[in-house]
Amino acid sequence: AIRMTQSPSSFSASTGDRVTITCRASQDISSSLAWYQQKSGKAPKLLVYAASTLQSGVPSRFSGSGSGTDFTLSISCLQSEDFATYYCQQYYNYPLTFGGGTKVGI
Amino acid sequence: EVQVLDSGGSLVQPGGSLRLSCAVSGFTFSSYAMSWVRQAPGKGLEWVSAVSGSGASTYYADSVKGRFTISRDNSKDTLFLQMNGLRAEDTAVYYCAKDRGNTAGFDYWGQGTLVTVSS
Repeated sequence: AIRMTQSPSSFSASTGDRVTITCRASQDISSSLAWYQQKSGKAPKLLVYAASTLQSGVPSRFSGSGSGTDFTLSISCLQSEDFATYYCQQYYNYPLTFGGGTKVGI
Repeated sequence: EVQVLDSGGSLVQPGGSLRLSCAVSGFTFSSYAMSWVRQAPGKGLEWVSAVSGSGASTYYADSVKGRFTISRDNSKDTLFLQMNGLRAEDTAVYYCAKDRGNTAGFDYWGQGTLVTVSS
């Protein structure tokens, strides 16, 4: 199975900050990567697919980049509603796998 | 409007069985693969199983292979997960998730249903 490693696992930030989360795959997955946001007690929400394509309705302050094994999710100007946990997920092949998550706290 | 409603979670004893259901509306169910994703208390997301739109192809995580069975009824727009031989480590919130298309991420999720395996 492809292993997905996120870093950092958690960090603190302030409103208005630019933040970057990294996801590394254990093998080349081309651009077969999605990013999700999850708030406490809620289902995950798709933010980005195909590594860099923003899902409809997602604010433009979110962006994704990368291909192969190294990927990043950036938030250009952190808003209060962005404090949450973020997960990457590869869909290059089965079994589908998620990263361990990155919690963005205040 | 797309709706995804998962249900069927409850408290079950180790070794027991449970069947989860996921009723959907607002899209052509048979055109999309569907998955189950779970989240143990305080832990991250774990993909469990997927089924193709026709139901002909199924996929499982190693942790549930041989114990869980995914299926779908396209005439009733409903997805199922039959769980047998349940273990304490299967305790989690189980989410039903719709594939975006071409297995490119999950764009709609259910609200989650809690399965607790304990004596």
